[in-house]
Amino acid sequence: DAGVIQSPRHEVTEMGQEVTLRCKPISGHNSLFWYRQTMMRGLELLIYFNNNVPIDDSGMPEDRFSAKMPNASFSTLKIQPSEPRDSAVYFCASSPRELYGYTFGSGTRLTVV
Amino acid sequence: DAKTTQPPSMDCAEGRAANLPCNHSTISGNEYVYWYRQIHSQGPQYIIHGLKNNETNEMASLIITEDRKSSTLILPHATLRDTAVYYCIVKGNFNKFYFGSGTKLNVKP
Repeated sequence: DAGVIQSPRHEVTEMGQEVTLRCKPISGHNSLFWYRQTMMRGLELLIYFNNNVPIDDSGMPEDRFSAKMPNASFSTLKIQPSEPRDSAVYFCASSPRELYGYTFGSGTRLTVV
Repeated sequence: DAKTTQPPSMDCAEGRAANLPCNHSTISGNEYVYWYRQIHSQGPQYIIHGLKNNETNEMASLIITEDRKSSTLILPHATLRDTAVYYCIVKGNFNKFYFGSGTKLNVKP
């Protein structure tokens, strides 16, 4: 089991550009979560999916952020246009079912200059 | 969702037991207590969880008080590799976890 796979590991982009972060959850896990981590705000839950359907996106900071899960093995988090304050580490996590712990990916470190 | 309170940091000597406390006085009857840790630059790692009874696995033990208002994570023989931020989380509705500030555990030689 390769675990939760995120790509890219690092992304540096210029303000105003579109950024797409990718996540492949563990096979068989039906819940997927996107978190953002900064020094100031810690780990923040952005959105989560259950069976590919977005259940709660109340943590998505602005309309510039969007997330999709077209199938059970792939999800994207898109920022358009990106801003310097979006610089953070973005984690994807998956879980097999209710009451189970999450498995996190290694994260994508995003720097917007 | 029940909130948790943890000390910001703790020290522990290598080879000794590390006891990390957590208060969750507003926990509901059907909410579980989960512990995760985050080693620098890595994603959080699940450690253990429990409802009422004490739990033990290969990584740690979880002791939950009878009134469920507090718990303690025990690492029986801490190593330098256990240096991390440890998060105590009470599971909210709809399978969401909210991470607080956690406890920075420093294991010293």
